[in-house]
Amino acid sequence: DSGVTQTPKHLITATGQRVTLRCSPRSGDLSVYWYQQSLDQGLQFLIQYYNGEERAKGNILERFSAQQFPDLHSELNLSSLELGDSALYFCASSVEVGQGYEQYFGPGTRLTVT
Amino acid sequence: AQSVAQPEDQVNVAEGNPLTVKCTYSVSGNPYLFWYVQYPNRGLQFLLKYITGDNLVKGSYGFEAEFNKSQTSFHLKKPSALVSDSALYFCAVRVSGGGADGLTFGKGTHLIIQP
Repeated sequence: DSGVTQTPKHLITATGQRVTLRCSPRSGDLSVYWYQQSLDQGLQFLIQYYNGEERAKGNILERFSAQQFPDLHSELNLSSLELGDSALYFCASSVEVGQGYEQYFGPGTRLTVT
Repeated sequence: AQSVAQPEDQVNVAEGNPLTVKCTYSVSGNPYLFWYVQYPNRGLQFLLKYITGDNLVKGSYGFEAEFNKSQTSFHLKKPSALVSDSALYFCAVRVSGGGADGLTFGKGTHLIIQP
């Protein structure tokens, strides 16, 4: 158990809908990352937050957004969902940024868009 | 841009034999390199990392990896494989000193240890 929690574990929704994925980082970790894992794209970095502020963006679509709250939990919002958004979404956290701090991953949320 | 290549989709090794999972990388600058393992229906577990210093790094569960700057490689190794090592292994990289800490992952290598 990495100490990173994600809810829900599974989510099934229809095209065009909007969903919110939630992540609680390990105790004491200030930075949160979101990744998407799919069969065709592999593991892709979406976005990073540090202590409530956006720090870096990766391959995140404009239909997707995220935020990190004062208690350091984070939410990833996915809107106007398409079939191709079906994937496993991981949250990860690290104690700090810069240097080579390793990231600890949660169990993921499996999103199925029908 | 940075990238990671894991040239083998699958590696088969007999239990008790040494194993190697290959990884090469490309970054503009000095790399931070990581290995993660993913078991079915689980998140990624951190195994080891190279930041600087000794080219041979040791990690969890008896795994080690050797950083080779001239060959831009970071192969994962274990002297004696266990059936329980069977899983999906990912190599990842990010450039040191950059403003972003998001990792770039390889496609993953399925490691199958045969009894």
